[in-house]
Amino acid sequence: QKEVEQNSGPLSVPEGAIASLNCTYSDRGSQSFFWYRQYSGKSPELIMSIYSNGDKEDGRFTAQLNKASQYVSLLIRDSQPSDSATYLCAVRGYQKVTFGIGTKLQVIP
Amino acid sequence: DGGITQSPKYLFRKEGQNVTLSCEQNLNHDAMYWYRQDPGQGLRLIYYSQIVNDFQKGDIAEGYSVSREKKESFPLTVTSAQKNPTAFYLCASSIETGLDTQYFGPGTRLTVL
Repeated sequence: QKEVEQNSGPLSVPEGAIASLNCTYSDRGSQSFFWYRQYSGKSPELIMSIYSNGDKEDGRFTAQLNKASQYVSLLIRDSQPSDSATYLCAVRGYQKVTFGIGTKLQVIP
Repeated sequence: DGGITQSPKYLFRKEGQNVTLSCEQNLNHDAMYWYRQDPGQGLRLIYYSQIVNDFQKGDIAEGYSVSREKKESFPLTVTSAQKNPTAFYLCASSIETGLDTQYFGPGTRLTVL
């Protein structure tokens, strides 16, 4: 079992729709959870971090964490073509951050 | 402007050569990291450093070496012992290796000719 699992996609959504990106992790002791966006050929940039169960909203982005189910998700409302990128889930365990392979999102105009 | 810089952006290496990738940060972060990214794989940790003059191996340290002589700088050397070095190399830093977020530099794309 991979430590952090993501569906590689691509996930295609029409412009204006809600994109839902999912991530599961194996280490129950994980403490911090991050979503990064990575455009092709560029480095990852932080979108959101979440540390406790529940929802955290920042503009069009909402991160959701469920530690009991070992599940973290990212919702993107009113998706725009500029949101087309690969989204990396990162999970911090003991002294180490593990990254998923990323989900490629395509927003269709 | 505060941030992380990496150089060069593109690097070409002949087989058998050692090359050094530069990473500098002016964020006053204590911790620095080197990752490697290959298509279809997540970021894999090569080395990390929590303080000056100290560093630890990550998951794929073989064929790589680092130094941390200054807080701001964490260069990575890709040695000839690294059998498949062609990849996208990312340097990151964080305030400490605790709960804090890692921020990434722009990356160096290394190609072996």
